Amino acid sequence: QKEVEQDPGPLSVPEGAIVSLNCTYSNSAFQYFMWYRQYSRKGPELLMYTYSSGNKEDGRFTAQVDKSSKYISLFIRDSQPSDSATYLCAMRSPQGAQKLVFGQGTRLTINP
Amino acid sequence: DADVTQTPRNRITKTGKRIMLECSQTKGHDRMYWYRQDPGLGLRLIYYSFDVKDINKGEISDGYSVSRQAQAKFSLSLESAIPNQTALYFCATSAGRQETQYFGPGTRLLVL
Repeated sequence: QKEVEQDPGPLSVPEGAIVSLNCTYSNSAFQYFMWYRQYSRKGPELLMYTYSSGNKEDGRFTAQVDKSSKYISLFIRDSQPSDSATYLCAMRSPQGAQKLVFGQGTRLTINP
Repeated sequence: DADVTQTPRNRITKTGKRIMLECSQTKGHDRMYWYRQDPGLGLRLIYYSFDVKDINKGEISDGYSVSRQAQAKFSLSLESAIPNQTALYFCATSAGRQETQYFGPGTRLLVL
């Protein structure tokens, strides 16, 4: 079983829809949770970072962590075609020496 | 200007050949990483280095070696390339205990 599971999609939604992307994990020691966005033929870039449980909002993006369920989510409101990319969740434990464990990535397409 | 650069961007090689992928950064970060990305498997850590004299194996180091020539340079070598090393390779950097990792544009490697 992988430490981090993420549905690879692909996920295709119309412009303006609310998108929900999710990851589950098995290591209860994970405390730091991140979402990276990767455009085609580019390297991943950090989109959201959350420490421990709770919600964090940044513009149209909301990251949610539920440690009791070992489940994290990224919500995108009013989705735009420019949001079309692969989204990777990543996480690590305090003892992880900054070694991130990534999910497989979800490929998202927003249709105009 | 790119802060993290990788050369070459694309490479085709034959089984058994030795190849080197290079990474340079102008961000002044002390920590550098090499990942490979495969469809359905996400990003997996090959090696990481916290400073010039500190090199550590990651999740999948077999068949790879690295060299940290300077704080700004971190090279990945495949001593004898094999077809299942065909993948997208990313270099990343981070500063101290900051969570954000900054990725290069990637090197697409095909081993025939």
